[in-house]
Amino acid sequence: DVKVTQSSRYLVKRTGEKVFLECVQDMDHENMFWYRQDPGLGLRLIYFSYDVKMKEKGDIPEGYSVSREKKERFSLILESASTNQTSMYLCASSYYYEQYFGPGTRLTVT
Amino acid sequence: GQQLNQSPQSMFIQEGEDVSMNCTSSSIFNTWLWYKQDPGEGPVLLIALYKAGELTSNGRLTAQFGITRKDSFLNISASIPSDVGIYFCAGPSFIQGAQKLVFGQGTRLTINP
Repeated sequence: DVKVTQSSRYLVKRTGEKVFLECVQDMDHENMFWYRQDPGLGLRLIYFSYDVKMKEKGDIPEGYSVSREKKERFSLILESASTNQTSMYLCASSYYYEQYFGPGTRLTVT
Repeated sequence: GQQLNQSPQSMFIQEGEDVSMNCTSSSIFNTWLWYKQDPGEGPVLLIALYKAGELTSNGRLTAQFGITRKDSFLNISASIPSDVGIYFCAGPSFIQGAQKLVFGQGTRLTINP
């Protein structure tokens, strides 16, 4: 079974803080993805990575950065958290098209 | 860009009823994926379809890859309370590059016991 884990299920941060969301997969997948999910807006791709140290912007990269130093780990960084970044963050990994998701991190920025 | 339109957006049914939902696109897909998301959780892959006309089952769930390759259908038979959630269709996003997916907006299923 593919397992994708995320470092926190719930997180509360203050405006201006630097926030790290960690994602780890155990299936040796090449591709990893970060999405955010908001009511009425569906799943929106923030960044993805198709190899170690490689990254590409998704549809809404502004205000975010990512890091992939090891194949199994993909980190999402909010450089200076803002209230409009309050959302559900989902990590996924894939070898081909089938993406496997983690349980999500619900981030609240106050 | 590529878009997937899911229908209906929401469904309210009685326990035991069968459920049908679909996903359509203006462009051709060579793969269709169906996911289910429970409240507060990440989406879980239910069924993957790779060939036009393909019919695949996973327990009480059956999905079909439309012949035109522009649509897909998901049916749930004899619904039970744990079927509650949001169902998403997804397909490869060729415009932006391989390996990425475009998702439908989801069908929210509510079951009255």
